Amino acid sequence: ETGVTQSPTHLIKTRGQQVTLRCSSQSGHNTVSWYQQALGQGPQFIFQYYREEENGRGNFPPRFSGLQFPNYSSELNVNALELDDSALYLCASSLGQGRSDTQYFGPGTRLTVL
Amino acid sequence: GNSVTQMEGPVTLSEEAFLTINCTYTATGYPSLFWYVQYPGEGLQLLLKATKADDKGSNKGFEATYRKETTSFHLEKGSVQVSDSAVYFCALSEAGSQGNLIFGKGTKLSVKP
Repeated sequence: ETGVTQSPTHLIKTRGQQVTLRCSSQSGHNTVSWYQQALGQGPQFIFQYYREEENGRGNFPPRFSGLQFPNYSSELNVNALELDDSALYLCASSLGQGRSDTQYFGPGTRLTVL
Repeated sequence: GNSVTQMEGPVTLSEEAFLTINCTYTATGYPSLFWYVQYPGEGLQLLLKATKADDKGSNKGFEATYRKETTSFHLEKGSVQVSDSAVYFCALSEAGSQGNLIFGKGTKLSVKP
């Protein structure tokens, strides 16, 4: 069984640019969530996708957007990058969206904005 | 709003010492509670979870009991190993929240031989 994978591993961008991060969910999982983890902090929920529809969103501006594809893989897009967007971006997949459903995390993409 | 508070780190222990990492939460409903572990340079791994009051989650010698009366979910291990060195995150997921996790800030554990 393949776990959650993310690409790329590392990325360096400059302020104002746009970035796309990718995530492949664990086999059979139809729900994908994205989190931002700043250095030394716990992850913060960005949004969740279920069957290609956004299913919930945290306190992030609209320049953070996403997609989920029919195979349940997902993208996170960030426009107009700011220095504070530098963080580890984590993708997690789960079988459902209930409070007791376990989320399985990928290794993350480290984004540096200069 | 909902939140999770963990004890500040870093925590440094000698091998075979007893570990406790405190975690308390604030939630309006009946959340599920989780402990995740993050090893250096890696993503998060689920360590254990509990979905209702008085449930005990356990894995790899770690345990935590869901205490509704004290809104706590403290992580314990009787004898830590060097390989347990990592950052530990307490998290909650509340009903109606689409399962999104709210994390504490993490507690870094270093175990010395």
